[in-house]
Amino acid sequence: KQEVTQIPAALSVPEGENLVLNCSFTDSAIYNLQWFRQDPGKGLTSLLLIQSSQREQTSGRLNASLDKSSGRSTLYIAASQPGDSATYLCAPLVARQLTFGSGTQLTVLP
Amino acid sequence: DAGVIQSPRHEVTEMGQEVTLRCKPISGHDYLFWYRQTMMRGLELLIYFNNNVPIDDSGMPEDRFSAKMPNASFSTLKIQPSEPRDSAVYFCASSLGTLNSPLHFGNGTRLTVT
Repeated sequence: KQEVTQIPAALSVPEGENLVLNCSFTDSAIYNLQWFRQDPGKGLTSLLLIQSSQREQTSGRLNASLDKSSGRSTLYIAASQPGDSATYLCAPLVARQLTFGSGTQLTVLP
Repeated sequence: DAGVIQSPRHEVTEMGQEVTLRCKPISGHDYLFWYRQTMMRGLELLIYFNNNVPIDDSGMPEDRFSAKMPNASFSTLKIQPSEPRDSAVYFCASSLGTLNSPLHFGNGTRLTVT
């Protein structure tokens, strides 16, 4: 059974800082991996989808990397803003099912 | 597009009552998923449909839970009878294919069973 771990569980940074969120998973036979953002009281919003054959995927200030063999993915956020405050979840896809990590709660202080 | 629409946003009911949660997926999406989110267990997949047909319901906790998708634009998740341990946020999500397309979530239904 796939197990997904996200570290740290919570992170607080001043505005403008670059930061890295970590995700590790036990079953490396993934098809792809998605990073999501969840705001309080809302559903999840897909930020980036990275294929198993890819090493990186970028969207604006966000960059996701994937090392399938070691079971790791990182989400890099450049020049963080207060509007980036949310919980970030990673979810690898194995056997047609996404398994979600418990998330990293990010607070960007103005 | 309005996105995935769920109703109601909040539901408070007493133990033993029937609860029905509703979902309208994004038009044209052929996959629909029901998830449950709690602090203790995080996000769990309950069931998913492809072209209105249930494909995997192994995540449905017990026979008190049932889900239907009578057409491409509507799905329900029913709990009968409800119990306090069913209290959670229930999300519906849809996608165009499961493998290479992002998953789009609704805003969820917060269920409280007293």
